[in-house]
Amino acid sequence: KNQVEQSPQSLIILEGKNCTLQCNYTVSPFSNLRWYKQDTGRGPVSLTIMTFSENTKSNGRYTATLDADTKQSSLHITASQLSDSASYICVVSAGGNNRLAFGKGNQVVVIP
Amino acid sequence: NAGVMQNPRHLVRRRGQEARLRCSPMKGHSHVYWYRQLPEEGLKFMVYLQKENIIDESGMPKERFSAEFPKEGPSILRIQQVVRGDSAAYFCASSLGIRGTDTQYFGPGTRLTVL
Repeated sequence: KNQVEQSPQSLIILEGKNCTLQCNYTVSPFSNLRWYKQDTGRGPVSLTIMTFSENTKSNGRYTATLDADTKQSSLHITASQLSDSASYICVVSAGGNNRLAFGKGNQVVVIP
Repeated sequence: NAGVMQNPRHLVRRRGQEARLRCSPMKGHSHVYWYRQLPEEGLKFMVYLQKENIIDESGMPKERFSAEFPKEGPSILRIQQVVRGDSAAYFCASSLGIRGTDTQYFGPGTRLTVL
């Protein structure tokens, strides 16, 4: 069983609308959680990082939340743009050696 | 400051041939990681290297796969006698350190197709 589960697997949203992506993890011990954006045919790019003590972090129109007690995180995209079409990957770091556990990603398609 | 560079971007090999994937980390980064991504799957850790040392290769198949990060030059992921199941995107990442908060920066990937 994957240690990082994301939902929904994919979604289509209209340009200008908001959406929220979910991530549940079982990784332990927990160090930090990141959201990466991966455009088709490109490598992942880090959007946000949150440690145990942080419960929200914003990067422009992207806002990530973290509930370390329930081991859940969300990524909210506000006023979506066509360029937001990508896979959003939840990545959890365990311990101190920077080993990462990756979710399969939320595939977002923004349509005009 | 150039990002992580990988080449080739696309590689086609026939079964039984060798594949060599190269990765140049960001300037100043001495930690390199290799990942494999199959279609519809998340990235899977393969190996973590520092200059001239393999630190963790627990995610790399024991047979046919090897990696190195020499004192000079790029990191190399080598796949001998490729099979169709090796077809995937291979990503390299680098980081400044290994603390949990040290961001891993990813390259654009090499897409390997085995015919």
